[in-house]
Amino acid sequence: AQTVTQSQPEMSVQEAETVTLSCTYDTSESDYYLFWYKQPPSRQMILVIRQEAYKQQNATENRFSVNFQKAAKSFSLKISDSQLGDAAMYFCAYRDSGGSNYKLTFGKGTLLTVNP
Amino acid sequence: ETGVTQTPRHLVMGMTNKKSLKCEQHLGHNAMYWYKQSAKKPLELMFVYNFKEQTENNSVPSRFSPECPNSSHLFLHLHTLQPEDSALYLCASSQVDRRNTEAFFGQGTRLTVV
Repeated sequence: AQTVTQSQPEMSVQEAETVTLSCTYDTSESDYYLFWYKQPPSRQMILVIRQEAYKQQNATENRFSVNFQKAAKSFSLKISDSQLGDAAMYFCAYRDSGGSNYKLTFGKGTLLTVNP
Repeated sequence: ETGVTQTPRHLVMGMTNKKSLKCEQHLGHNAMYWYKQSAKKPLELMFVYNFKEQTENNSVPSRFSPECPNSSHLFLHLHTLQPEDSALYLCASSQVDRRNTEAFFGQGTRLTVV
């Protein structure tokens, strides 16, 4: 079974600074997807960024980028120019590429605080 | 209108009550999911419905009973719950016949069992 580990229960960053959230995973599959979701106090899980395992290029979405190391099974999220609105729980998630269901396996989350 | 809507947002129920959680998706997706989110634990997948057919039941106790009358609506019927069932229950939907797809989540129902 696939597992996702987020080793940082909490992180903090100063506004406008850069922060990196860590995620490792375990799988025997070669083709899969990795995601970072954000859950603000409103509780709605919002997709931040997605990485396809067969793509070597790291995904980027504006101030958000990932460092995907397939051999090391590592998938970290870098937030640049942090803003107060970035404060939230961040979840790393894994999904197989095949099968009839696209179920997600989540890590325990990292609570990010942004200090003004 | 948001993509995935869950009602109610908050629910307090006694252990002998019967209640239902509702989820509705307006995205035209064909799969819907129930997740349980407890403090200090990863999200746990409870049920998956694919084209209205239940395709996954992750050893969920029978006091949780899902219902999917059509591809847009998903219910979770609750009866004789335990205090440890208190959690945030999240509904999600996705399109499973497309390779590059993502799950969209509702805002959840905060359930407290007293």
